[in-house]
Amino acid sequence: SAVISQKPSRDICQRGTSLTIQCQVDSQVTMMFWYRQQPGQSLTLIATANQGSEATYESGFVIDKFPISRPNLTFSTLTVSNMSPEDSSIYLCSVGRGAVESTDTQYFGPGTRLTVL
Amino acid sequence: DQQVKQNSPSLSVQEGRISILNCDYTNSMFDYFLWYKKYPAEGPTFLISISSIKDKNEDGRFTVFLNKSAKHLSLHIVPSQPGDSAVYFCAASSIGSYGKLTFGQGTILTVHP
Repeated sequence: SAVISQKPSRDICQRGTSLTIQCQVDSQVTMMFWYRQQPGQSLTLIATANQGSEATYESGFVIDKFPISRPNLTFSTLTVSNMSPEDSSIYLCSVGRGAVESTDTQYFGPGTRLTVL
Repeated sequence: DQQVKQNSPSLSVQEGRISILNCDYTNSMFDYFLWYKKYPAEGPTFLISISSIKDKNEDGRFTVFLNKSAKHLSLHIVPSQPGDSAVYFCAASSIGSYGKLTFGQGTILTVHP
């Protein structure tokens, strides 16, 4: 499995500001995914980031709020823009082969714990 | 619409006994199922998976059972150890989804010494 790191591990931010979260993988991967885990909730997929193409967002998530970059096969960033307290969550990146068949195991980074005041 | 459900928010088990965590799903297109374990302040760790062509998969102390007709899967941990105390998530994906996962709400497992 890939080794995945995220920066920052945690942050406390003021409402109205933006935070960019970095995800670094120790090997080249096709697909990177960004998830959010709100307090006491499950993990919800925000978007899928494929290198060389625009990120694909899930229902309820938009590019203006969560812009994503995927400049190469080992790195991605997620920006949480114009933050409000409702954005307080753990943000997780994961990687997978991105095969069209579903039998693909994803491996997760350690997460970024964001608190918005 | 919660397509993957873990109806038990928590489970408490004595060390050495069996832990059984349950998961139900509603989307008949799901054909690959995974269990993840999550400790506080860490990302989810992959435990075990099962394809819809199987009804059982074992890996050491962990066994996952799949009942497709009931749209139900369960994770058995035998014997349970205090280090197994964590939040357990089941997740599912379907063909054509490029591996996108839908997660259940999680079950907090506490194993008492």
